[in-house]
Amino acid sequence: QKEVEQNSGPLSVPEGAIASLNCTYSDRGSQSFFWYRQYSGKSPELIMFIYSNGDKEDGRFTAQLNKASQYVSLLIRDSQPSDSATYLCAVTNFGNEKLTFGTGTRLTIIP
Amino acid sequence: DVKVTQSSRYLVKRTGEKVFLECVQDMDHENMFWYRQDPGLGLRLIYFSYDVKMKEKGDIPEGYSVSREKKERFSLILESASTNQTSMYLCASPKASGGLTDTQYFGPGTRLTVL
Repeated sequence: QKEVEQNSGPLSVPEGAIASLNCTYSDRGSQSFFWYRQYSGKSPELIMFIYSNGDKEDGRFTAQLNKASQYVSLLIRDSQPSDSATYLCAVTNFGNEKLTFGTGTRLTIIP
Repeated sequence: DVKVTQSSRYLVKRTGEKVFLECVQDMDHENMFWYRQDPGLGLRLIYFSYDVKMKEKGDIPEGYSVSREKKERFSLILESASTNQTSMYLCASPKASGGLTDTQYFGPGTRLTVL
């Protein structure tokens, strides 16, 4: 079983709709959870991180964490064509800087 | 503005060559990481370093070594390049706050092709 799992997609969402990206992880000791966006040929850039159960909002982005279900998600509201990218989920443990990445979900926003 | 730079964006080498990939960060961070990224496999950790002259193996260290002589510089070395080391190589340096990493800064990446 992979440590961090994501649906590879592609996920196609109409412009203006909500894009929902999901990630599950196997290590119950995981403490920190990150969403990165990666455009083709570019390096990953951090969108959001979350430590506590519940929702965390930043502009059009909302991260949701459920540690009991070992599940973290990213919602993108009012999706724009510029949101088309691969989204990487990553997790780490407390005091451990090592990130474990999922393989990413490719998101396409359809104008 | 924080910066992680890598010595080359694109590199083409021949099988058996010794290859050096350089990474420099200007954030005075202690931790630095080397990943490789391949389609369908995601980012995989090769080596990381917590301090000068300190190094630890990641998940796929075979065929690689590293050097950290100065805090700001972390080098990845392919002792004898092979075609299966053709990949995108990404250097990263995290900012840690109270034991929880909040931001990991990535360099622009080096696309290495081994012929």
